[in-house]
Amino acid sequence: DAGVTQSPTHLIKTRGQHVTLRCSPISGHKSVSWYQQVLGQGPQFIFQYYEKEERGRGNFPDRFSARQFPNYSSELNVNALLLGDSALYLCASSLAPAKNIQYFGAGTRLSVL
Amino acid sequence: KQEVTQIPAALSVPEGENLVLNCSFTDSAIYNLQWFRQDPGKGLTSLLLIQSSQREQTSGRLNASLDKSSGRSTLYIAASQPGDSATYLCAVRYTGFQKLVFGTGTRLLVSP
Repeated sequence: DAGVTQSPTHLIKTRGQHVTLRCSPISGHKSVSWYQQVLGQGPQFIFQYYEKEERGRGNFPDRFSARQFPNYSSELNVNALLLGDSALYLCASSLAPAKNIQYFGAGTRLSVL
Repeated sequence: KQEVTQIPAALSVPEGENLVLNCSFTDSAIYNLQWFRQDPGKGLTSLLLIQSSQREQTSGRLNASLDKSSGRSTLYIAASQPGDSATYLCAVRYTGFQKLVFGTGTRLLVSP
């Protein structure tokens, strides 16, 4: 079975642009979470979705938004990119939001110039 | 404030040694704790998940323990190998919260 897949793997944008990152969870998983990992730091929570509803939101500005589709895949959108948005963006899926193991994808490396 | 701390930040050992990585958390009201491995520039690989009602979990050469009263978890790696070289991250899910709170990791180097 395929694991969590994220696309694209790498992305280069300039300040002020918009970006969309995509995530496909493991088959049967209904919960998807997004994390941002800056170099040298642990991942920081951005959003969690379960059954297409937002279940949690981290301390990120409104420039960050996400949604989950009927097939449980998810998109993370970031508007008005800043240099500080450069990071590895990780998607995790699980059967349900809390109890189960979180499985992470390989991430999308975003560079903002 | 819910924080997770990992000590040491980096560790270098010769092949074959047994080693312990430490994780401490500030709030004992945890739901579960998960240990991950991360290779450079890559995503996270789940190693072990300990529910709050459990004291330890084992998988092969890895053993993770949980002591809620002292706010600590340890990851024990037996007979280390060069392939164990990676960053190890501890993540806590606190009761009532959906997110994982991560430590900054311990970077492990196992030399042949």
